[in-house]
Amino acid sequence: GAGVSQSPSNKVTEKGKDVELRCDPISGHTALYWYRQRLGQGLEFLIYFQGNSAPDKSGLPSDRFSAERTGESVSTLTIQRTQQEDSAVYLCASRAWEWLADTQYFGPGTRLTVL
Amino acid sequence: AQSVTQLGSHVSVSEGALVLLRCNYSSSVPPYLFWYVQYPNQGLQLLLKYTSAATLVKGINGFEAEFKKSETSFHLTKPSAHMSDAAEYFCAVSDGGNNNDMRFGAGTRLTVKP
Repeated sequence: GAGVSQSPSNKVTEKGKDVELRCDPISGHTALYWYRQRLGQGLEFLIYFQGNSAPDKSGLPSDRFSAERTGESVSTLTIQRTQQEDSAVYLCASRAWEWLADTQYFGPGTRLTVL
Repeated sequence: AQSVTQLGSHVSVSEGALVLLRCNYSSSVPPYLFWYVQYPNQGLQLLLKYTSAATLVKGINGFEAEFKKSETSFHLTKPSAHMSDAAEYFCAVSDGGNNNDMRFGAGTRLTVKP
């Protein structure tokens, strides 16, 4: 079946504009994760969803960041009033809900550039 | 909450030499541990994972990692480095179960010299 997909693959925006990043997880995967990877740096956890709920929003950098998930499927990460420091690759991953740990499957990422 | 620390943001080895990438974890419950690899201009992919079965876990491309509870470590090794191993390696920890949370280390960039 299809893997995790993200859109757009690249986004260039002007400072102060809002952007929406989309993630389509693997069908049936209950858990969905968002990460940010700045150039030359590691993965920064942003938020994860169990179903449509987000038990842990502590990773969101500021109140300009928000995310939602509907239908236990697609998720949208919204960044309002973008700043240059928001420039990064935003990665989405999904994982099946199992009692034993399961693998996270990553999407190709959305490269966001804020001018 | 669980966390991982990767010691050394950059590791450089010669081709044919031993690769050792260090990872220490912190978890209040028995953890599940993962190593992911990110090759240049590619997405992350799973290298191997520990889920409380055998403490020595073998992964793809000749890599393996040993879970040591007493040392809270899950170091990644490969006996002989190959040029194609040059990549960014991420250690991750999850407490599995019904928390389903997962945290990644900052990553270690492996360089292989000819």
